[in-house]
Amino acid sequence: DVVMTQSPLSLPVTLGQSASISCRSSQSLVYSDGNTYLNWFQQRPGQSPRRLIYKVSNRDSGVPDRFSGSGSGTDFTLKISRVEAEDVGVYYCMQGTHWPSWTFGQGTKVEIK
Amino acid sequence: EVQMAESGGGLVQPGGSLRLSCVASGFTFSTYAMSWVRQAPGKGLEWVSAISGSIDNTYYADSVKGRFTISRDNSKNTLYLQMNSLRAEDTAIYYCAKGRTGERWGQGTLVTVSS
Repeated sequence: DVVMTQSPLSLPVTLGQSASISCRSSQSLVYSDGNTYLNWFQQRPGQSPRRLIYKVSNRDSGVPDRFSGSGSGTDFTLKISRVEAEDVGVYYCMQGTHWPSWTFGQGTKVEIK
Repeated sequence: EVQMAESGGGLVQPGGSLRLSCVASGFTFSTYAMSWVRQAPGKGLEWVSAISGSIDNTYYADSVKGRFTISRDNSKNTLYLQMNSLRAEDTAIYYCAKGRTGERWGQGTLVTVSS
């Protein structure tokens, strides 16, 4: 099974500053079609998960451009530029390359200092 | 607008059964794979089961294999999860999710397994 490892697990951030979350997979996430199905989700308190980023770096509709994804192979990063209060929540990376068996990272809790 | 709404959760005793439903709208349901993902209280996300769009291939996490059954009724735009032989560790919010990369999720339904 593919294991997804996120760091840090807790991330206190000052409003207006940037934040970065790392996600590493135990196997390459490059699929046979050449795509890398690494996705990022945001879960605000009391809400269901919402996909922010798909295939490493593509923002979903309505996602602010403060959110960006990068990486390749087994190492990926979610960056939040200019953190706002509404960004508080838990962020998960998820691999969809080995569908149907999705695996998620442990989650990174972003909070305001 | 894409919407999914889960229902059917509740309190059930260990060994009991529940059937969850997820009604979808705003997209051509039959053409999308669908999944169930759960989240135990205060914990992370765990994939539970998936079903393909039209061929009805089904897939399960080892933790639920043999106890849970996923199905769909494309005429009703509805996804199901039949859960039997429930255990305390099945207590969680259960979400349905659209597509092979979880592009949209429902609001979830809470299943509590306790005596």
